[in-house]
Amino acid sequence: DIQMTQSPSSLSASVGDRITITCRASESISRYLNWYQQKPGKAPKLLIFAASNLHNDVPSRFSATRSGTDFTLTIGSLQPEDFATYSCQQTYSVPHTFGGGTKVEIK
Amino acid sequence: QLLESGGAIVQPGRSLRLSCTGSGFTFGFYAMTWVRQAPGKGLEWLGCIRTQTSGGTTEYAASVKDRFIISRDDSERFAYLQMTSLESEDTGFYFCATGEGSGGDCPTLDSWGQGTLVTVSS
Repeated sequence: DIQMTQSPSSLSASVGDRITITCRASESISRYLNWYQQKPGKAPKLLIFAASNLHNDVPSRFSATRSGTDFTLTIGSLQPEDFATYSCQQTYSVPHTFGGGTKVEIK
Repeated sequence: QLLESGGAIVQPGRSLRLSCTGSGFTFGFYAMTWVRQAPGKGLEWLGCIRTQTSGGTTEYAASVKDRFIISRDDSERFAYLQMTSLESEDTGFYFCATGEGSGGDCPTLDSWGQGTLVTVSS
């Protein structure tokens, strides 16, 4: 199975900060990498698919890139509604494993 | 929309079947996936069932492969997760999810249910 290593596991930031979350795949997954946002008590929501494509209605302050097996999610200017947990997922091969998640908290 | 049901408190070793119904889309055109989340933990992909036109075959995570079975009834617009030999580690929220663009294969998950809670405890 492909392992997805996500870092950091948590971070504290302020409104307006730029933050970056990283996900590393244990082997090549091409661009088959998605990012999800989850708020407490809610189902996850798809933010980014195929490494760098914004899903419907996702604000442009979210962006994502790929470099080999390293994937990065960036929030350009953190907004109050962005405090949540972010998870990556590879869909290159089954099982479609998730990273461990990054909790973004208010500083 | 997706809606899960069937979550309950069950004793270790018992079985439980979760259901997921879909509305507002042609259910049979979409592969269905189950994901769970233990309390305070990350998301765990459990498995998926492909569309009938893609063979209706299933895939599972190694952690549940011998105990969980995913099935579907397209005429009734349901997907199911049959869980056996439940353990305390199976406690958590169980989500069904699906997505477009996979050609009937296990998809990127752009539509999720709200989840149903399974608690395994004596």
